[in-house]
Amino acid sequence: GENVEQHPSTLSVQEGDSAVIKCTYSDSASNYFPWYKQELGKRPQLIIDIRSNVGEKKDQRIAVTLNKTAKHFSLHITETQPEDSAVYFCAASNGANSKLTFGKGITLSVRP
Amino acid sequence: NAGVTQTPKFQVLKTGQSMTLQCAQDMNHNSMYWYRQDPGMGLRLIYYSASEGTTDKGEVPNGYNVSRLNKREFSLRLESAAPSQTSVYFCASSESPGNQPQHFGDGTRLSIL
Repeated sequence: GENVEQHPSTLSVQEGDSAVIKCTYSDSASNYFPWYKQELGKRPQLIIDIRSNVGEKKDQRIAVTLNKTAKHFSLHITETQPEDSAVYFCAASNGANSKLTFGKGITLSVRP
Repeated sequence: NAGVTQTPKFQVLKTGQSMTLQCAQDMNHNSMYWYRQDPGMGLRLIYYSASEGTTDKGEVPNGYNVSRLNKREFSLRLESAAPSQTSVYFCASSESPGNQPQHFGDGTRLSIL
């Protein structure tokens, strides 16, 4: 089955700096890659997603890039703000079995 | 438009008790999911229903049962609760199976003593 890994488990950046969070996946047939943000005590919320026919997608301060050859995809957050502090989950799906496989999450802390 | 609604929000059980977690969505989604979230373990799929009338096991189904009551509702039952089932449970739904964003409810925080 699919295996999604996120490293490191925590990341700390200075406010205003950029943050990059990377995920690797194992199933070369995976074709859908969403990113979720979960604030403390809240539900996970989709912030951006990308499909395998696209290499990059942007939405204001966030972007996601996909490298199918290396089987990894990354979340880029520019001009970080304290409200970006949260746990970020990546996930992957090949569509065939309707399941998303989630990584274990990365805790991003933005220092004021 | 409430999205995905879970009840209850909090529950404390004693070992061996049973209970049902309820989930309803008002987005006319075909697929629904139950996850559990434990510290450092991410989101682990318990059961899912790709469409009304079907259910399938996920990564950690032991100790749980599910019912897809209709298109809107998907319940999760613990027949004999164990302390290892202490967790936060999230229900989610998506428009269709696979390759679609999943929308999550606010979660049920369950403690088993």
